[in-house]
Amino acid sequence: AQSVTQLDSQVPVFEEAPVELRCNYSSSVSVYLFWYVQYPNQGLQLLLKYLSGSTLVKGINGFEAEFNKSQTSFHLRKPSVHISDTAEYFCAVSDPLFRGSARQLTFGSGTQLTVLP
Amino acid sequence: ETGVTQSPTHLIKTRGQQVTLRCSSQSGHNTVSWYQQALGQGPQFIFQYYREEENGRGNFPPRFSGLQFPNYSSELNVNALELDDSALYLCASSTDRVSYEQYFGPGTRLTVT
Repeated sequence: AQSVTQLDSQVPVFEEAPVELRCNYSSSVSVYLFWYVQYPNQGLQLLLKYLSGSTLVKGINGFEAEFNKSQTSFHLRKPSVHISDTAEYFCAVSDPLFRGSARQLTFGSGTQLTVLP
Repeated sequence: ETGVTQSPTHLIKTRGQQVTLRCSSQSGHNTVSWYQQALGQGPQFIFQYYREEENGRGNFPPRFSGLQFPNYSSELNVNALELDDSALYLCASSTDRVSYEQYFGPGTRLTVT
């Protein structure tokens, strides 16, 4: 079974400051890793994904994340945030192998990022 | 290219009633997954439909059921509504059941009173 822990439920940060949103996962097998963003009253939008290869992945809107296998972490970072980055951010995992049934996403409980002026 | 759409946007039901939520998948996608997102929580997988058949199910009771139609649109039905069913219901489509990448719709906000 897979699980995802997002260590911070709320992260307030001032505009133009750097931010890191933490994500740890638990799995008995290798995983695919994702970060999604959810703006108020909207669905989920994919920010970035790690499938294999380079452990540093870059996504949309200036976000990046680093996969650390030994620490089972996939933290999301942005060097300088904007007011428009205020949203809920979800870390998710998926089994990389297709085992004949649904390839579902397992999500963390989310981190609310609030960018302050 | 039209993305994933869901209807209605919001609805309010009474405990014990039944509800049907609808989802139109993105063009070219034959697989639809449904997720329940309770307030303050991450989405939880309900089930997935691939080519009109259920292809996997999460930890939800049988009163949560679904359908997929030949055009790959989908319905989520919930019978005997309970207060805890109040949530945002998200539909996601993917190119096929093997694909890891899912594209989400805006969701339907269900309130059970």
